[in-house]
Amino acid sequence: DTGVSQNPRHKITKRGQNVTFRCDPISEHNRLYWYRQTLGQGPEFLTYFQNEAQLEKSRLLSDRFSAERPKGSFSTLEIQRTEQGDSAMYLCASSLSSLSETQYFGPGTRLLVL
Amino acid sequence: KQEVTQIPAALSVPEGENLVLNCSFTDSAIYNLQWFRQDPGKGLTSLLLIQSSQREQTSGRLNASLDKSSGRSTLYIAASQPGDSATYLCAVLDSNYQLIWGAGTKLIIKP
Repeated sequence: DTGVSQNPRHKITKRGQNVTFRCDPISEHNRLYWYRQTLGQGPEFLTYFQNEAQLEKSRLLSDRFSAERPKGSFSTLEIQRTEQGDSAMYLCASSLSSLSETQYFGPGTRLLVL
Repeated sequence: KQEVTQIPAALSVPEGENLVLNCSFTDSAIYNLQWFRQDPGKGLTSLLLIQSSQREQTSGRLNASLDKSSGRSTLYIAASQPGDSATYLCAVLDSNYQLIWGAGTKLIIKP
């Protein structure tokens, strides 16, 4: 399968714990995006990378959130000291170099913070 | 600030009917508009992308139109099938190259 993959697919954690999610984009795609989606809502932009450079971060991305794409391939999103309000679906997408290109989405990681 | 609205929030129709989903946006300064499909608990699948200079795009039984000046787009689904049941989301690529999303229309096609 050459699509976008995300791991894990589901994560249950206790409040205060740290969690890390991984996204593997389509191999030739330079851009990688992270979104958060809560029930009944559309996705909200969190951040995006052009190769290994993180070019933009949403105000939604508090200091507890950090994202990396060290070699310009896979990316990780870490949430420190999780809160119940962090419970959501975290979606990753990738696209070719042009900003107006279609984004291809992974299946998402569903996070539940107890 | 760009806002995207989708009406209705939910729609249930018998199999075989033609239907229209609506999407409106507040700022006409967009690069493109996309329609996506999302199945329960799954990621998003791009259905159609309309560049700002285009008026419509077609793929199989799907046709999407764009009227940028009025801030509206429609997704027309012909001869609906139970497999079309999903949530349909529209998103605009705004002047900051960010995708701004509607909340979606949950579509149920009854056999």
